[in-house]
Amino acid sequence: AQSVTQLDSQVPVFEEAPVELRCNYSSSVSVYLFWYVQYPNQGLQLLLKYLSGSTLVKGINGFEAEFNKSQTSFHLRKPSVHISDTAEYFCAVSAPSRDDKIIFGKGTRLHILP
Amino acid sequence: DVKVTQSSRYLVKRTGEKVFLECVQDMDHENMFWYRQDPGLGLRLIYFSYDVKMKEKGDIPEGYSVSREKKERFSLILESASTNQTSMYLCATSTLRLAKNIQYFGAGTRLSVL
Repeated sequence: AQSVTQLDSQVPVFEEAPVELRCNYSSSVSVYLFWYVQYPNQGLQLLLKYLSGSTLVKGINGFEAEFNKSQTSFHLRKPSVHISDTAEYFCAVSAPSRDDKIIFGKGTRLHILP
Repeated sequence: DVKVTQSSRYLVKRTGEKVFLECVQDMDHENMFWYRQDPGLGLRLIYFSYDVKMKEKGDIPEGYSVSREKKERFSLILESASTNQTSMYLCATSTLRLAKNIQYFGAGTRLSVL
């Protein structure tokens, strides 16, 4: 079974500052890893994914994440945030399987301060 | 683009009512999912389906049932709504034919049970 832990429930950061949202996972098998974003009053949309290959993954809106197998982490980073990045971010993990089930973390709310 | 449409954005029902939440997708995806989202708890899987007339329980199926009579439509049913079912409900779809395990979400239905 897989599980995912998002270490911070809320992260405040000043506009144009860098940000890192932390995610750790556990699994006994190889995994797929995802970050989803949920803007206010909307559903979730995929930011980026790690399926295999390069451990540094680039996504939409200038975000990137690095898969670290030894530390079982998949932290999300952006070098300079904008007010429009205000949202809730979900880390998720799944194992290759017929039913495509995904386990989501509890979310990190990113607050951008002016 | 994948389109996942949830029939209502906001819904107010009374305790004991039978409630139907509808989800329709236009991309011929095999897999469909229902989640509920609560503050601090992230997304929790209620039911999923990987084919017409097939359904599998998720992590919190109690008090819910589902129906999938057609491939494009997945309905969540609250047989007798209770106040503890007040929540945001999210529908998602995925396909094994393209990128694995990526789920596409609807905008959500915010249900209030009074």
